[in-house]
Amino acid sequence: KAGVTQTPRYLIKTRGQQVTLSCSPISGHRSVSWYQQTPGQGLQFLFEYFSETQRNKGNFPGRFSGRQFSNSRSEMNVSTLELGDSALYLCASSLTGQGFSYEQYFGPGTRLTVT
Amino acid sequence: GENVEQHPSTLSVQEGDSAVIKCTYSDSASNYFPWYKQELGKRPQLIIDIRSNVGEKKDQRIAVTLNKTAKHFSLHITETQPEDSAVYFCAVSSNTGKLIFGQGTTLQVKP
Repeated sequence: KAGVTQTPRYLIKTRGQQVTLSCSPISGHRSVSWYQQTPGQGLQFLFEYFSETQRNKGNFPGRFSGRQFSNSRSEMNVSTLELGDSALYLCASSLTGQGFSYEQYFGPGTRLTVT
Repeated sequence: GENVEQHPSTLSVQEGDSAVIKCTYSDSASNYFPWYKQELGKRPQLIIDIRSNVGEKKDQRIAVTLNKTAKHFSLHITETQPEDSAVYFCAVSSNTGKLIFGQGTTLQVKP
């Protein structure tokens, strides 16, 4: 099976702009979770989507949003970019279901630089 | 709130020695405990995981132990090799797709 893919791999934006990142999960996986990785804060959970619905949300401002399509592909959007949004954005897919934690497999990430 | 403490932050061992990384969590509802290895410039890779109904799990040179009473779990790597050098992250989850990660441990294995 093909692994989790993310596009684009690298992105440079300026403050105030918005950005959309894409994640394609492993075939058959219906859950997609997004994480932000920075040297200072480590890996932090952004949100999780399952069957086109946001099921969990982390402690990030409303500028961070996402969605999931019927084929389980997911996008996340960051509006009004700030310098502090520079990070590696990782998505992870899993089989998941209700009331059980399944293994999560990560994509290669999108490296976002905000100048 | 949910919190995971991971120690040590850096660990240097000689090739062939053992390495142990420990994580402590706060949410007693946590029931899934994966470990990820991240090499420089690469994605985190799941190397082993354990669920709350099991006390220990082993996969070749890697093992994880869980003490639910004390709320801590540990990663044990035996007979370390230079290719084990990487950043290791523990994480916890409780029946959701949300993983709470520890701060990471940079393991250096010296040849």
